[in-house]
Amino acid sequence: AQSVTQLDSQVPVFEEAPVELRCNYSSSVSVYLFWYVQYPNQGLQLLLKYLSGSTLVKGINGFEAEFNKSQTSFHLRKPSVHISDTAEYFCAVITMNSGGYQKVTFGTGTKLQVIP
Amino acid sequence: DTAVSQTPKYLVTQMGNDKSIKCEQNLGHDTMYWYKQDSKKFLKIMFSYNNKELIINETVPNRFSPKSPDKAHLNLHINSLELGDSAVYFCASSQDGLGGNTIYFGEGSWLTVV
Repeated sequence: AQSVTQLDSQVPVFEEAPVELRCNYSSSVSVYLFWYVQYPNQGLQLLLKYLSGSTLVKGINGFEAEFNKSQTSFHLRKPSVHISDTAEYFCAVITMNSGGYQKVTFGTGTKLQVIP
Repeated sequence: DTAVSQTPKYLVTQMGNDKSIKCEQNLGHDTMYWYKQDSKKFLKIMFSYNNKELIINETVPNRFSPKSPDKAHLNLHINSLELGDSAVYFCASSQDGLGGNTIYFGEGSWLTVV
């Protein structure tokens, strides 16, 4: 079984300040890791993903995340946030099921509130 | 240009009715999904189809029946709607069902059962 934990349901941060959104996962097999962003009344958009290789991945809108296998984490960071970054952020873990297809588990989301 | 499109975007209906949500993707993907997002924003997969064949069916009531006429379409039909069915339903697709493929989401369908 796999699981994803996003410990912070809400993160308020001042504009131009740095932010880190935390994501921890649990899985007995290899994982692929994703971060998605959901703006109000919209669907989810991919921010970045880790499949293999370099553990530091860069995504859109200045976001980056680092895969830490020993800590089973995939925290999302941005050095300076903008008002437009206000949204819900979802971490997702993908593994392969017994039938050879991907099994996706989403975290419960973190609402990033950027304060002017 | 919309990659994954679903209709209707908003749907308000009475308990006991039957309704459908349609989904189409123009990305040439082989795999399509339906997700349910509840009022607490929790996302849960309901179904996954690969080339019109069901590959994932989570514990969803039998009142929910997906239909895939071809690999570009995955419609969701819901019978005897209940208050608890109120949620946002997202259609999505990926290149195939294998690991590591980005899942592309539609804009969502807001279902309110009254």
